[in-house]
Amino acid sequence: GQNIDQPTEMTATEGAIVQINCTYQTSGFNGLFWYQQHAGEAPTFLSYNVLDGLEEKGRFSSFLSRSKGYSYLLLKELQMKDSASYLCAVRDGNYQLIWGAGTKLIIKP
Amino acid sequence: DTGVSQNPRHKITKRGQNVTFRCDPISEHNRLYWYRQTLGQGPEFLTYFQNEAQLEKSRLLSDRFSAERPKGSFSTLEIQRTEQGDSAMYLCASSLGEEGASGANVLTFGAGSRLTVL
Repeated sequence: GQNIDQPTEMTATEGAIVQINCTYQTSGFNGLFWYQQHAGEAPTFLSYNVLDGLEEKGRFSSFLSRSKGYSYLLLKELQMKDSASYLCAVRDGNYQLIWGAGTKLIIKP
Repeated sequence: DTGVSQNPRHKITKRGQNVTFRCDPISEHNRLYWYRQTLGQGPEFLTYFQNEAQLEKSRLLSDRFSAERPKGSFSTLEIQRTEQGDSAMYLCASSLGEEGASGANVLTFGAGSRLTVL
């Protein structure tokens, strides 16, 4: 079967750095997405990786290793507003999006 | 463009009743998706349209669920004879993409319609 694994919950301190990991097993691969979802709100797009390596976008970076079936989202200079769930999603060989359950990130002052 | 709009935002109904949700996607987007999400889970795919054609429907979706996109613009999702297990957030998303094409095809989500079945 197809599977996306990410930690259920993480806690970090304001101003620090946190890395949220995602491992996947899918039938084929056509890209990996990270979305941010605040409680009770819609998911919003953060990043897209289709080739190996690091994509940087401001305070957020996303890394992909296709051979390892692994990605991470790196958040720097954490702010209280970064408290949210972070969803990893993989587009499989049939161009279907497979979603992880999300990682709830709690930021403490 | 105000993004993806969903109505109603909240719906409370009694078991056995029918409910309908509406989604207005971003106007230039040709693809429209419906997902269901429960607390602590990622979105679960229900169905998607490319223009007015419904191209895929989840095998997990019972025949009580039906979706339409009659003119390739807005879409409706109807749930007949609701059950308590249908209680969830129903998310609509739209994107601009071609079938099987490479590229990001980023989904833009609406705020969702929360259904509570008593």
